[in-house]
Amino acid sequence: GQSLEQPSEVTAVEGAIVQINCTYQTSGFYGLSWYQQHDGGAPTFLSYNALDGLEETGRFSSFLSRSDSYGYLLLQELQMKDSASYFCAVNQAGTALIFGKGTTLSVSS
Amino acid sequence: DVKVTQSSRYLVKRTGEKVFLECVQDMDHENMFWYRQDPGLGLRLIYFSYDVKMKEKGDIPEGYSVSREKKERFSLILESASTNQTSMYLCASSISAGVNIQYFGAGTRLSVL
Repeated sequence: GQSLEQPSEVTAVEGAIVQINCTYQTSGFYGLSWYQQHDGGAPTFLSYNALDGLEETGRFSSFLSRSDSYGYLLLQELQMKDSASYFCAVNQAGTALIFGKGTTLSVSS
Repeated sequence: DVKVTQSSRYLVKRTGEKVFLECVQDMDHENMFWYRQDPGLGLRLIYFSYDVKMKEKGDIPEGYSVSREKKERFSLILESASTNQTSMYLCASSISAGVNIQYFGAGTRLSVL
């Protein structure tokens, strides 16, 4: 079967760095995506990794190790507005995304 | 900007009713998707479509059907709504197969009483 595992909750303070891990088990792996969803809002795309290594987009970075079936999202210089749910998603067979259950990040001052 | 519009933000229906959830995208995207989102379960794929009149089952298609008569519109149908279909329904679209970026609508919160 296919599955994605990520922590259910993470807490941090403003200005800190937080890492949200995602391990996956799936067939036909094409890449790992990350989405952010604020309370009551729609999920929005953050980043995508098809190859091993680190992708950086401003304060957010995403990492993938295909051999370990593992990736993470790194959020730096945390701000209150980063409080949201973060989902990893696997692109399998080039058509549909399979999402993890999400990690709720709470940032406090 | 890509816009994915879901016809209703909130819906309340009765058990046994036929329910239509509509989704329209304005960017000529090939692929469209329906998910349901429940607390602690994340987003689960119900159906997707990669072309007009084409559909593929996702992980939880039971109790649902879909219709894609035009490229921009993808409808989710609950033939006979049940209380266990109370959920948040999210529509998404992407430009083509090899999906990396999906654009989501704001969601429809459906309550079946």
